Amino acid sequence: RKEVEQDPGPFNVPEGATVAFNCTYSNSASQSFFWYRQDCRKEPKLLMSVYSSGNEDGRFTAQLNRASQYISLLIRDSKLSDSATYLCVVNRGGGYNKLIFGAGTRLAVHP
Amino acid sequence: NAGVTQTPKFRVLKTGQSMTLLCAQDMNHEYMYWYRQDPGMGLRLIHYSVGEGTTAKGEVPDGYNVSRLKKQNFLLGLESAAPSQTSVYFCASSYPGSTDTQYFGPGTRLTVL
Repeated sequence: RKEVEQDPGPFNVPEGATVAFNCTYSNSASQSFFWYRQDCRKEPKLLMSVYSSGNEDGRFTAQLNRASQYISLLIRDSKLSDSATYLCVVNRGGGYNKLIFGAGTRLAVHP
Repeated sequence: NAGVTQTPKFRVLKTGQSMTLLCAQDMNHEYMYWYRQDPGMGLRLIHYSVGEGTTAKGEVPDGYNVSRLKKQNFLLGLESAAPSQTSVYFCASSYPGSTDTQYFGPGTRLTVL
């Protein structure tokens, strides 16, 4: 079993739709959590950090449930420019800021 | 402020050839990392460094060597390239601390024939 698991998708949604991505992690000692965005043939870029209290950045909302070891990302009012792969990332700590990456969920937003 | 840069952007090698990938960062980060990304898989850590002059193995270190002679640079070497090393290689850097994330370079696409 992978340490960070995501539904690979693809999720094909129309503009304006709301879409939710889920992620589970297996190591309960994980310390911090992130969503990254990766465009085709580009480097991963930090989208947002994820906190237990939940956090929102414009149309994006991230939630963390430590008890269930579950992370989510909600995108409201999808735009064409949201088309990308979304990576769930967990920081296991351990002295060198070790990140564990999920394989990513692909989102395609169509007109 | 260029962030993290990588050279070269693309390279084609023949089996058995050697090469070095260069990563440079101008953010004064202590930690630097080399990853590879293959289709359908998450990024996997090859080697990392927690400071100038120090390196350590990650998940998939076999066939690679690294050096960190200067804080801002982290080199990844392939001594004898194999087709299994065909991949996209990303360098990243960060400050210490479990709440800090990593910042990535644009990647190097390597094909080994």
